[in-house]
Amino acid sequence: LAKTTQPISMDSYEGQEVNITCSHNNIATNDYITWYQQFPSQGPRFIIQGYKTKVTNEVASLFIPADRKSSTLSLPRVSLSDTAVYYCLVGVNTNAGKSTFGDGTTLTVKP
Amino acid sequence: GAVVSQHPSRVICKSGTSVKIECRSLDFQATTMFWYRQFPKQSLMLMATSNEGSKATYEQGVEKDKFLINHASLTLSTLTVTSAHPEDSSFYICSARAGTGGNEQYFGPGTRLTVT
Repeated sequence: LAKTTQPISMDSYEGQEVNITCSHNNIATNDYITWYQQFPSQGPRFIIQGYKTKVTNEVASLFIPADRKSSTLSLPRVSLSDTAVYYCLVGVNTNAGKSTFGDGTTLTVKP
Repeated sequence: GAVVSQHPSRVICKSGTSVKIECRSLDFQATTMFWYRQFPKQSLMLMATSNEGSKATYEQGVEKDKFLINHASLTLSTLTVTSAHPEDSSFYICSARAGTGGNEQYFGPGTRLTVT
């Protein structure tokens, strides 16, 4: 399983764009990159998934360079409610594939 | 979106007793479910992979006789913590994958287990 490395913590202010980068140097050809958000005492919530280049949905964008050894989650105009732990997972896009959670990034949004 | 529920959300039990936690996929069928454990201020640790109709696959270091997993149907998996001890106190989270394929996991809300 590909190991992921993220910054332990990040601070931001309301209304700013936040970019969280994840390193996954040994990502395999069949691996997808998935980001989750977790609030205290809750299960993780799916944010976005991608394989290469750029993916955008209603809450975030995911940038993946050509070598796929890293990825960046971009959260536009964060609010206080975006304060949470963010995890990037790398794993195969099949039902049998499993992913291992890294340490995650604790994002604190300040007023 | 796909919804996964867990029951109970919170349980307190005495040392030596067993506790069963249920994980259900409410609006989709899940051929594969995962069980995680999370200690305070730490990341999620994968305990086992549960496949419908077959034995669960446990991660290294997880005692299969202590953490019994049953995936009886495409919408239900259960985790039984047998002879619980205070060190088993943790936040247990399950997740499920839809049968249509994809790496996207849908997580349950978690179960807080406290062993006294």
